Amino acid sequence: DVKVTQSSRYLVKRTGEKVFLECVQDMDHENMFWYRQDPGLGLRLIYFSYDVKMKEKGDIPEGYSVSREKKERFSLILESASTNQTSMYLCASSFEGVATQETQYFGPGTRLLVL
Amino acid sequence: GQNIDQPTEMTATEGAIVQINCTYQTSGFNGLFWYQQHAGEAPTFLSYNVLDGLEEKGRFSSFLSRSKGYSYLLLKELQMKDSASYLCAVRERNTNAGKSTFGDGTTLTVKP
Repeated sequence: DVKVTQSSRYLVKRTGEKVFLECVQDMDHENMFWYRQDPGLGLRLIYFSYDVKMKEKGDIPEGYSVSREKKERFSLILESASTNQTSMYLCASSFEGVATQETQYFGPGTRLLVL
Repeated sequence: GQNIDQPTEMTATEGAIVQINCTYQTSGFNGLFWYQQHAGEAPTFLSYNVLDGLEEKGRFSSFLSRSKGYSYLLLKELQMKDSASYLCAVRERNTNAGKSTFGDGTTLTVKP
């Protein structure tokens, strides 16, 4: 069974704090993704990575950065949290390859509240 | 880029059949996924279509027409546990990392 875990289910932070969200997958997937999900806006891609130390911006990267030092771990960093970053954050991973479906497997999500 | 449209909400009765549509516009198509997401939980994979036609998997089937930019998810013999959000996602050709763009999702409510 593919397992994607996220460091916290619920998190409360104050405006201006630096926030780290950690994601770990145990299936040796090449690709990892960070999304945020907000009512009425669907799943929006923040950043993704297709290899260790490789990263690409998604659709809404502003205010975020990422780190992928090891294949199994992908971290999302909010350098200075703001109230508009209150959201559900979802991590996902997938295999890479033409022959595969590249199905994404999601973690349970982190619900972040910035006060 | 991608533009994906699905209805926001649908309601159906237990035991019935429901069809959830998804239309997309893309500069290069390389597959379409359907995911199910129960409230407060993560999305989980339901189906994948890359060729035209119908893929059947138990009570769930997914159809794709690439020429029309159209897919649907068909749920038969609806059960209360099928109440969830259904997300259509398009894999675009020539992108790194299996990147998919998700629609906003269709919230399905199954009533007794």
